Amino acid sequence: AQSVTQLGSHVSVSEGALVLLRCNYSSSVPPYLFWYVQYPNQGLQLLLKYTTGATLVKGINGFEAEFKKSETSFHLTKPSAHMSDAAEYFCAVSDPRLNSGYSTLTFGKGTMLLVSP
Amino acid sequence: NAGVTQTPKFQVLKTGQSMTLQCAQDMNHEYMSWYRQDPGMGLRLIHYSVGAGITDQGEVPNGYNVSRSTTEDFPLRLLSAAPSQTSVYFCASSRGSPRDARANEQFFGPGTRLTVL
Repeated sequence: AQSVTQLGSHVSVSEGALVLLRCNYSSSVPPYLFWYVQYPNQGLQLLLKYTTGATLVKGINGFEAEFKKSETSFHLTKPSAHMSDAAEYFCAVSDPRLNSGYSTLTFGKGTMLLVSP
Repeated sequence: NAGVTQTPKFQVLKTGQSMTLQCAQDMNHEYMSWYRQDPGMGLRLIHYSVGAGITDQGEVPNGYNVSRSTTEDFPLRLLSAAPSQTSVYFCASSRGSPRDARANEQFFGPGTRLTVL
């Protein structure tokens, strides 16, 4: 079974500071990993994903994440935080459904990013 | 395209009442899912469907029914609402891929906020 652990339910940074949101996963198969963002009172929006190939993945809004197999991690970073980055961020691993050829997502519990002026 | 739409946006029910949460997508996606989001719990999969006429249970299916009569629609039914079903419900869809469905992005609706008194 797949699982995702996000360290820190809340992370606070100042505007312009580095953003680092941590995600560790457990997977019985080579993992496909996703980061989603949820702005207040909205649905989830894909930031970036790792499937195969290059382990450093760039996404929207200046975010990137690096897949490290040896550390079973997929941490999300952004060099300089903006006020508009304040949101909840979810890491997820693709969970294959063997009998259907379909895949669902197993989510972490989320990390709320707070950005102060 | 409207993407994934959900109705209603908000609903208050009394214990024991029934209701249907509607979900529709206009992207011709084969795969659709229902998740519930609770504080500190992330998103948990309720039911999913890999095509019209085919549904299966996710992580937390008890108390919920689904059906998929068309590609576009995937309603979620609560037969006898309980306070434990107070949550925010998200519908998601993704395209099918014979080669690698795990890599496909899931598109989320805006959510339905349900309160059961």
